[in-house]
Amino acid sequence: GAVVSQHPSWVICKSGTSVKIECRSLDFQATTMFWYRQFPKQSLMLMATSNEGSKATYEQGVEKDKFLINHASLTLSTLTVTSAHPEDSSFYICSARDTGVGNSPLHFGNGTRLTVT
Amino acid sequence: AQSVTQPDIHITVSEGASLELRCNYSYGATPYLFWYVQSPGQGLQLLLKYFSGDTLVQGIKGFEAEFKRSQSSFNLRKPSVHWSDAAEYFCAVATQTGANNLFFGTGTRLTVIP
Repeated sequence: GAVVSQHPSWVICKSGTSVKIECRSLDFQATTMFWYRQFPKQSLMLMATSNEGSKATYEQGVEKDKFLINHASLTLSTLTVTSAHPEDSSFYICSARDTGVGNSPLHFGNGTRLTVT
Repeated sequence: AQSVTQPDIHITVSEGASLELRCNYSYGATPYLFWYVQSPGQGLQLLLKYFSGDTLVQGIKGFEAEFKRSQSSFNLRKPSVHWSDAAEYFCAVATQTGANNLFFGTGTRLTVIP
């Protein structure tokens, strides 16, 4: 089945540093990938839509200069949390649709738990 | 605006007992409804979805859900719970079949006791 790999699964960083999270579709191509954030005891919230070869589309309230998204190939999207602060600590999940499958469901990665100290 | 409510934050059931997880949605037109499961430290896995047709939907791992328009509900059920079902369950709604912006509930954590 379609697999989305997310790396790293967890990361601890110091305040002020940047962290890059990778999202890969292993056995399918995805022109569009999605990034979500989940705070403790809260729901998943869509942060942005990552478009291969073009700029990402950010949801209202999400700072595009803080959460940099790059989708340079049909199988890889990256989310970089720049100048991380403790309030950025969260669980980040990506998902992707199989471009080759009509009405493809969203395939989710395993998530990345970011802790900013 | 669309929204999803999962009234139960945490449910504990005995292994072998039946299970029902509640989900209520708010949306003016026909919703597209999903149930996802998230095991600890892992991503989301789609259990089942409802787009149209039969309101009783069968999913993977023995789960089913019933869409009740009159109650704006899409409750998830399983007749006999297994210890491996312990996880977090999310109900989600989308306004189109291919919509990328799923609106998730806050989740229900299921604990299964032997």
